[in-house]
This record gives sequence, C-alpha cells and structure tokens, in this order.
Amino acid sequence: QITLKEPGPTLVKPTQTLTLTCTFSGFSLSTSGEGVGWIRQPPGKALEWLALIYGDDDERYSPSLKSRLTITKDTSKNQVVLTMTNMDPVDTGTYYCAHHSSGWYGTAVDFWGQGTLVTVSS
Amino acid sequence: DIQMTQFPSSLSASVGDRVTITCRASESISRYLNWYQLKLGKAPKLLIYAASSLQSGVPSRFSGSGSGTDFTLTISGLQPEDFATYYCQQSYSALLTFGGGTNVDI
Repeated sequence: QITLKEPGPTLVKPTQTLTLTCTFSGFSLSTSGEGVGWIRQPPGKALEWLALIYGDDDERYSPSLKSRLTITKDTSKNQVVLTMTNMDPVDTGTYYCAHHSSGWYGTAVDFWGQGTLVTVSS
Repeated sequence: DIQMTQFPSSLSASVGDRVTITCRASESISRYLNWYQLKLGKAPKLLIYAASSLQSGVPSRFSGSGSGTDFTLTISGLQPEDFATYYCQQSYSALLTFGGGTNVDI
C-alpha cells in the first residue's frame, strides 16, 4: 500500500525559503519508472505541477518555477524534499506530494498525499 | 509548454445525469491524457489514464475518450459522491501540465 505524507501547515515570510519534506512508504524510489513529485493548488485556483524526481535521479521542473525549485531524495529515509526560494504571497496554497508512475501510458500521478497548507505572509 | 483547456469550468447536474467534461490540448498529445477527481479535504484521485484506461478501483460509470488534441471524461449516472472538481493532465511532454478544472455541483 503506497502512502505519502506531507508535513503540517507551514507559515513562511516573503523572500524566505520553503522546505517541504515528503515521507513515503509502500515503494522504493529506486527505479526509473517511478518518481515522487510536488503539485500545488492556490486557493480557488487550478492544480499546478511543480517538480518530480525519479528513482534514477532524473529531475524535472516546471519551466516557470525552475529557477526557484530544487528537488532531492533520500532513498534510505524514504523521503523527498522540495525547496522553493524567494517565497511570495502568490505561492500560498495547498502543496501535495505525489507518486508518479511512468510507462507506455506516459506519466500518471497515481497516489497523492492529503496535502499541506503553505501560507506566505509577513 | 503544452497548454490544457477544460470546459466547462463549472456545471450543475443532478443525481443520475450523464455528465461530459472536455479537455483540449494546445498541440497533439496522442493519448497521453489523465483525469483526476478532487474533493475538499481528501487526497486527489486518479480516475483515467492513457485517455481511456480506468484506474483500478474506479467505478465503471467513469469513462474517457479521445486522442490528439480533444478528450472527454464522461460520468454515466452521476452519484452523490461524484460532486467534485475534475482535472485533466497531459504527459506527452516530460513537463506535466493540468487543465483549469471543472467543478461539478448540484
């Protein structure tokens, strides 16, 4: 059974750096067809895909946020960490950690965490 | 980036209705199209992958179709638990993108 868990609600100040750690179980992030990524949803807005790291260390980033994002993994701890620099109030929203599965069908986000609220405010 | 446009952005329906949601890609994405359901306070759920393949455990009243740039999600016989927001997502590009969402309410 695959589960992913984000940390509790986070409050960060503008210009600060956000660090989110996702802890997962039920799989080992060690193959090329399996990855863990982050997706966010600002209040009242649509889902926005942010970043993804595969078991073979291949990293993918949203082009519009690439300069601010870093995604890393610690396979021994079953954790994936997302870092986002220079936070702004428009970055407020729910951040989801999610398992990505890739194959003949492309890439599907087949397991999601419950999400965590990130608030950017001074 | 490949842009995904969904319509309508919202719709009102009743239990038992047949509901159709459309998703259009800014360029051809073959059949690399997935559909998700979001409910407040719950983890999002993958419904359909590869345009028409039903994810394990998803009721058969959900179906998907399409290829190229135009895709549809159909709910045949809307149930009370189906009132939610639905998103399409393309994976033709390695950089995934979602549609704007369709809110299905009463």
